[in-house]
Amino acid sequence: AQTVTQSQPEMSVQEAETVTLSCTYDTSESNYYLFWYKQPPSRQMILVIRQEAYKQQNATENRFSVNFQKAAKSFSLKISDSQLGDTAMYFCASVQGGSEKLVFGKGTKLTVNP
Amino acid sequence: NAGVMQNPRHLVRRRGQEARLRCSPMKGHSHVYWYRQLPEEGLKFMVYLQKENIIDESGMPKERFSAEFPKEGPSILRIQQVVRGDSAAYFCASSPLREKNTEAFFGQGTRLTVV
Repeated sequence: AQTVTQSQPEMSVQEAETVTLSCTYDTSESNYYLFWYKQPPSRQMILVIRQEAYKQQNATENRFSVNFQKAAKSFSLKISDSQLGDTAMYFCASVQGGSEKLVFGKGTKLTVNP
Repeated sequence: NAGVMQNPRHLVRRRGQEARLRCSPMKGHSHVYWYRQLPEEGLKFMVYLQKENIIDESGMPKERFSAEFPKEGPSILRIQQVVRGDSAAYFCASSPLREKNTEAFFGQGTRLTVV
């Protein structure tokens, strides 16, 4: 079975600094996709970044980038130049080949302090 | 293009009543997914539907829960005889294609409170 683990329940960072959120996963599939979702207090689930397992290059989206270590089954999210609006819950998720359902970790609550 | 619309945003039901949660997918999307989020937890998959078909209901509790996505109208998640443990946020997501890399667009969720 697919599992996703986020070992940091809460983190905080000062505005303009960089923070890294950890995620590990377990899957027996060779074809899968990994995601980071942001959930602000409004509860809306917002896709931050997506990584395809067969691509070795780490995905980047503006201030957000990932460190994808396939052998270690690790998928961390780096947020550069943190902004107050980045304060939210962050969920790591995966979907494996042949399935359409996302499997989520328990989330990391990130607080950006002014 | 309106996003995924869920209503109501908040729903309060007494134990034993029925709860009906609605989800209108984005225009042009024919795939709908329902997830449940318990307090302090991540989202857990419940069911995946296409128009008029249930494709994967492996996450649905065996009793009291049902889902449909009719040819016309929104997808409905129905919970009969609600209990306190059903209190949670229920999210709907939709996508246009059955592709693994398709971005699933989420609604804002319905928070169900059972009193």
